[in-house]
Amino acid sequence: DTGVSQNPRHKITKRGQNVTFRCDPISEHNRLYWYRQTLGQGPEFLTYFQNEAQLEKSRLLSDRFSAERPKGSFSTLEIQRTEQGDSAMYLCASDRWDTQYFGPGTRLTVL
Amino acid sequence: AQSVTQLDSQVPVFEEAPVELRCNYSSSVSVYLFWYVQYPNQGLQLLLKYLSGSTLVKGINGFEAEFNKSQTSFHLRKPSVHISDTAEYFCAVTGFSGGYNKLIFGAGTRLAVHP
Repeated sequence: DTGVSQNPRHKITKRGQNVTFRCDPISEHNRLYWYRQTLGQGPEFLTYFQNEAQLEKSRLLSDRFSAERPKGSFSTLEIQRTEQGDSAMYLCASDRWDTQYFGPGTRLTVL
Repeated sequence: AQSVTQLDSQVPVFEEAPVELRCNYSSSVSVYLFWYVQYPNQGLQLLLKYLSGSTLVKGINGFEAEFNKSQTSFHLRKPSVHISDTAEYFCAVTGFSGGYNKLIFGAGTRLAVHP
C-alpha cells in the first residue's frame, strides 16, 4: 500500500491558462474522488469515479473543469481558462469499501 | 441532505490538558462518521471512524470519539494533548447512498496546543 499520490504538489499559473493535475489512487481501490479545499474551509466534493465511469459531478464543477479516469486507474483533473477563484487545494481520495484515503493534494495558485 | 457543523473554529489548549472538539451533523438517513486531521500543506489523514456497533470508537494518536444518535453528535476527545497534535481537524459524514461515499465535511477546528 503506497498511498494516494498527486502531482504536481504545487502549481502557479496565470489567469487564463489551462492546468492539469494527476492522481494515482491506491492500486486495489476502484472508487476515486476529487475534492476542492479553499482557505479556512473543509473539502468540498467535486466528482466521483467508479472504475472508469464518472458517476457524479458537483455543481461546483463548472464547464471549465473536466475529469477523466481513462483506464480505471489514475485520474486527471483539468481546469481550462483558469480564474483567480480557482485558487485552492485540490484533493484526491480513493476507497474500495467504506473509508476514503486522501493524497497530499495539489495547491493551485492563479495569479 | 446532509450537513456537518463544527462548533468551534479554534481551540487553544495547554500541553497535557484534555481536549474536546465538537461535531454535530444532520442527516435523514443512517450515517457513517469520520474524523480526519490535516497538518499544514498536507492531505487529510484518517483519525477514526464510526460505521456501526459500539458508539465509542478509538483512533490513532490516542484520540477517541463518541457517536450520539439522539443528539446527532460525534465529538472528538483526547485526555492529554501534545504539541504535535497542533493541526486542523475535520469531521465528515456520509450516508453511503448509491453505493459510494460522498463525504460532507465541516469547516474544521484548528487545535493549537501551547507549551
